[in-house]
Amino acid sequence: DGGITQSPKYLFRKEGQNVTLSCEQNLNHDAMYWYRQDPGQGLRLIYYSQIVNDFQKGDIAEGYSVSREKKESFPLTVTSAQKNPTAFYLCASSIKRALNTGELFFGEGSRLTVL
Amino acid sequence: AQSVSQHNHHVILSEAASLELGCNYSYGGTVNLFWYVQYPGQHLQLLLKYFSGDPLVKGIKGFEAEFIKSKFSFNLRKPSVQWSDTAEYFCAASNDYKLSFGAGTTVTVRA
Repeated sequence: DGGITQSPKYLFRKEGQNVTLSCEQNLNHDAMYWYRQDPGQGLRLIYYSQIVNDFQKGDIAEGYSVSREKKESFPLTVTSAQKNPTAFYLCASSIKRALNTGELFFGEGSRLTVL
Repeated sequence: AQSVSQHNHHVILSEAASLELGCNYSYGGTVNLFWYVQYPGQHLQLLLKYFSGDPLVKGIKGFEAEFIKSKFSFNLRKPSVQWSDTAEYFCAASNDYKLSFGAGTTVTVRA
């Protein structure tokens, strides 16, 4: 089945450690996104990529990094510089010409807990 | 700054009651509007969308939303809810490559 796969589903990290969240899609979508979901704050955009080898910062990029070396993959690294990393992270994708239509397809999410 | 606000944090209803969730946006110019739904344990998915034309939009599962440009609003409605409508609902807006979400409204439908 086509879709977006995020891994791991749950992740625990000690303070000061970097961690990378995986996001893979087989929908042949050009654009991919990372959102952070916190209770009472909805979804906030961390990074997005419209095409391979290109990505832009979203609203809350500080303390995060991404890469887009392949069309199907958009990993997110939560660095030790992120002050409040405990959250639920959602990856999404869309076809390029639908970038402003909002028709995003979401993964199941990864829950990161910093101990 | 562009933003989306949802009026209610948590709504509790009985089955067959009517539902209306408020959403306001602060985008200037042309805007595309959406409602997403997240059922317990499931992916976030698109419920309905508005790009242009008829301001009353029909979505899946009997939901509809009305775009009122003068009020910068895009409220979601359902005349008669079911227990299966228990979910978190997110309003979203876009005017370019970025989609901004509201904080979400948790809807609990009691049988």
